[in-house]
Amino acid sequence: DTEVTQTPKHLVMGMTNKKSLKCEQHMGHRAMYWYKQKAKKPPELMFVYSYEKLSINESVPSRFSPECPNSSLLNLHLHALQPEDSALYLCASSQERGPTGELFFGEGSRLTVL
Amino acid sequence: AQSVTQLDSQVPVFEEAPVELRCNYSSSVSVYLFWYVQYPNQGLQLLLKYLSGSTLVKGINGFEAEFNKSQTSFHLRKPSVHISDTAEYFCAVSGNTGFQKLVFGTGTRLLVSP
Repeated sequence: DTEVTQTPKHLVMGMTNKKSLKCEQHMGHRAMYWYKQKAKKPPELMFVYSYEKLSINESVPSRFSPECPNSSLLNLHLHALQPEDSALYLCASSQERGPTGELFFGEGSRLTVL
Repeated sequence: AQSVTQLDSQVPVFEEAPVELRCNYSSSVSVYLFWYVQYPNQGLQLLLKYLSGSTLVKGINGFEAEFNKSQTSFHLRKPSVHISDTAEYFCAVSGNTGFQKLVFGTGTRLLVSP
């Protein structure tokens, strides 16, 4: 199983809503990532978890709150988002946490904030 | 800090023709280089990577890339493209220490027509 599964695939939310994005992998990878991809732009790193601990936060606003409940799951909690936060949110995992590892990406959750 | 430049935002090509997608990088330290492909409405998939050793790297789906340190380039090539190669191609770079923090280029859309 080389899949990274993300749910939901599409999400529409208002600026006052609270919602969560979920990501799951069963490859035994110990590093997991959240990327944000705006339309026609490259992915931008948001967070890195290594061994279930937050290792990198790329100065992401606090309205995005990541959580890693166990080694297979990664959540992204969303609260009080802005319309400019509308984007494709990609989850990825890697076997190695160092700079040489291959990232395995999910298909993404497309978020629209009204 | 590292950066990547993909000068061509779009490359149209006919089926069975050869193609080269250009990538130049900038870094003050040695780097690792990657090419990822993103098919419509999907996540990213690793095509190939250069870590060290032979400068000619072969990847999946018949793609190859050549690392040129003097020209700070890592161009992607395929001798004969198929319709199914139509996708967005991202060149990416990571530093040689720490976590996997990929910096992506802006992407090149490869459009293969019959």
